[in-house]
Amino acid sequence: GENVEQHPSTLSVQEGDSAVIKCTYSDSASNYFPWYKQELGKRPQLIIDIRSNVGEKKDQRIAVTLNKTAKHFSLHITETQPEDSAVYFCAAAWGGSNYKLTFGKGTLLTVNP
Amino acid sequence: GAVVSQHPSWVICKSGTSVKIECRSLDFQATTMFWYRQFPKQSLMLMATSNEGSKATYEQGVEKDKFLINHASLTLSTLTVTSAHPEDSSFYICSATEASGTAYNEQFFGPGTRLTVL
Repeated sequence: GENVEQHPSTLSVQEGDSAVIKCTYSDSASNYFPWYKQELGKRPQLIIDIRSNVGEKKDQRIAVTLNKTAKHFSLHITETQPEDSAVYFCAAAWGGSNYKLTFGKGTLLTVNP
Repeated sequence: GAVVSQHPSWVICKSGTSVKIECRSLDFQATTMFWYRQFPKQSLMLMATSNEGSKATYEQGVEKDKFLINHASLTLSTLTVTSAHPEDSSFYICSATEASGTAYNEQFFGPGTRLTVL
């Protein structure tokens, strides 16, 4: 089955700096890669996703890049703010309308004011 | 829109008892619901996938007789932890996707249920 590795497990940055979280996956059939933000004790929320037919996607301060050949994808947050502090999970899936997500272990991002 | 609720938000029970957790899609019809388990400071592990009106599909290593899943309607799925033991203590989260043939419909997550077994 799919295996998703996520690094780093913790990341501390100063407000205004950029943060990068990287994930690798094992199953070359995977073609959907979402990223979730989970604040302490709350539900995961989708912040951005990318499908295998594109290499990069951007939404304001958040961007995701995908390298299918190398089987890795990354989340980039620019101009970080204290409210960006949370645990971020990457995930990978295949299967179209009947997909199942395999999650990475998560990255605790702390943005220091 | 696309709100998923869970009830209860937390539950404490004695070892050997059974606990039922409800997952509801409040403003959409969910053909598929997923149940995850999350240990403290760890990732979400998919336990099972349930489709309305059919038996749930369990992931490898998940005991289907211990974690009973029922998806009787397009808005409700339940997870029953039978004969709970302290090692079953965890955060259980459900998610749901809208009924659609579109690939990779967003999964909307519930707020989770904290189960503590004494």
